[in-house]
Amino acid sequence: QLQLVQSGAEVKKPGSSVKVSCKASGGSFDNYAFTWVRQAPGHGLEWMGGIIPVFDRTTYAQKFRDRVTITADKSTSTAYMEVSSLKSEDTAVYYCATVFGYYYDRPFDSWGQGALVTVSS
Amino acid sequence: DIQMTQSPSSLSASLGDRVTITCRASQGISNYLAWYQQKPGKVPKLLIFAASTLQSGVPSRFSGSGSGTDFTLIISSLQPEDVATYYCQKYNSAPQTFGQGTRVEIK
Repeated sequence: QLQLVQSGAEVKKPGSSVKVSCKASGGSFDNYAFTWVRQAPGHGLEWMGGIIPVFDRTTYAQKFRDRVTITADKSTSTAYMEVSSLKSEDTAVYYCATVFGYYYDRPFDSWGQGALVTVSS
Repeated sequence: DIQMTQSPSSLSASLGDRVTITCRASQGISNYLAWYQQKPGKVPKLLIFAASTLQSGVPSRFSGSGSGTDFTLIISSLQPEDVATYYCQKYNSAPQTFGQGTRVEIK
């Protein structure tokens, strides 16, 4: 089971971009898919998308396909999630979480601590 | 994409009550269903996977059942520490969609 440490809180202007990192330790980075989950204030959990770093293969939920990019750097065992053209509705806590294996056919086994992104003019 | 629908969206029950939360998938997902508990300001915690398997360390008052499209989470005797929001999640494939959540409070 990996330990995941995310980057810190960010305040961004509408129209800008934000990139959140998720650094993994304590296991083999290559054995996992890294997923991202959004939680707006007072709202539920939304699965945004994921990456399988060993294949550099990404998948996105339809809602997030246009403005979200998920990447991974195997050399630093870090996954990234970037949201572009930010809107106030993107204000949320963004979590990374891992799924063991390559098929998204298991539940999450580790979570990052979450990163609050606030979009405000 | 498969949609996950939970009910109720919130409930209030007395200590010691039996609490039932349901989750319905828009298509069959076999038993690829997990339940998470999230307390305010905290990271979600896995309670149950494979629809009915209790995660290690989770109290036995929690149980899950179901297969295909209809699933249930039961808290057999509600305790103060169970105040939280509960989410189901399907994980047969991506996207690993969550239900909208059920907030559980003490009456």
